[in-house]
Amino acid sequence: QLQLQESGPGLVRPSETLSLICTVSAGSISSTSYYWGWIRQPPGKGLEWIGSIYYSGSTYYNPSLKSRVTISVDTSKNQFSLKLTSVTAADTAVYYCARHRAGYSNYWGQGTLITVSS
Amino acid sequence: QSALTQPPSASGSPGQSVTISCTGTSSDVGYYNYVSWYQQHPGKAPKLMIYEVTKRPSGVPDRFSGSKSGNTASLTVSGLQAEDEADYYCSSYAGNNNLLFGGGTKLTVL
Repeated sequence: QLQLQESGPGLVRPSETLSLICTVSAGSISSTSYYWGWIRQPPGKGLEWIGSIYYSGSTYYNPSLKSRVTISVDTSKNQFSLKLTSVTAADTAVYYCARHRAGYSNYWGQGTLITVSS
Repeated sequence: QSALTQPPSASGSPGQSVTISCTGTSSDVGYYNYVSWYQQHPGKAPKLMIYEVTKRPSGVPDRFSGSKSGNTASLTVSGLQAEDEADYYCSSYAGNNNLLFGGGTKLTVL
């Protein structure tokens, strides 16, 4: 059974860069059928797609976050990562990594709460 | 791109049916047959319930069904059970490898 696990610091200071890693196990990140993405959920609010990456390195970002987001992949480690720059309190959320294709995500990580606070 | 529109809440008694709507535009829901629905219990990750408008992943009860008409997709839960109480989110492919989510609907089983 494919598993995804997010890792990173739970607290980030305002104006700094949020960095998260998603480790994929029991499956290859180099699968040609799927994309790997990041989705976030502010406390008590809905889901927001952040962006996705294909194993080849092609990236796709939410236009509203594009200027601050970088997603990269390391196929040798079966991991992909998220960097979000210049964070504010509005970036406080549970961040999920997920595997998806053509509009649906069938495997999700458990999520990790990232708090932006000084 | 704007979020898809869902009613904030829906409810029904055990055994009844309830339908949750998800309205987009002719550029997302209305154009692509790539609408999906997720169930989320408190503190848990979303779970895929419906994909490509009408398809159910293995293990999802057939009480859950999806449909689409024009720019509006719908999720119907038949024979409501207590464990169906959760938040439900729709999602649609929006072209150029972009994804949109709805604001979520809190389903209450009375």
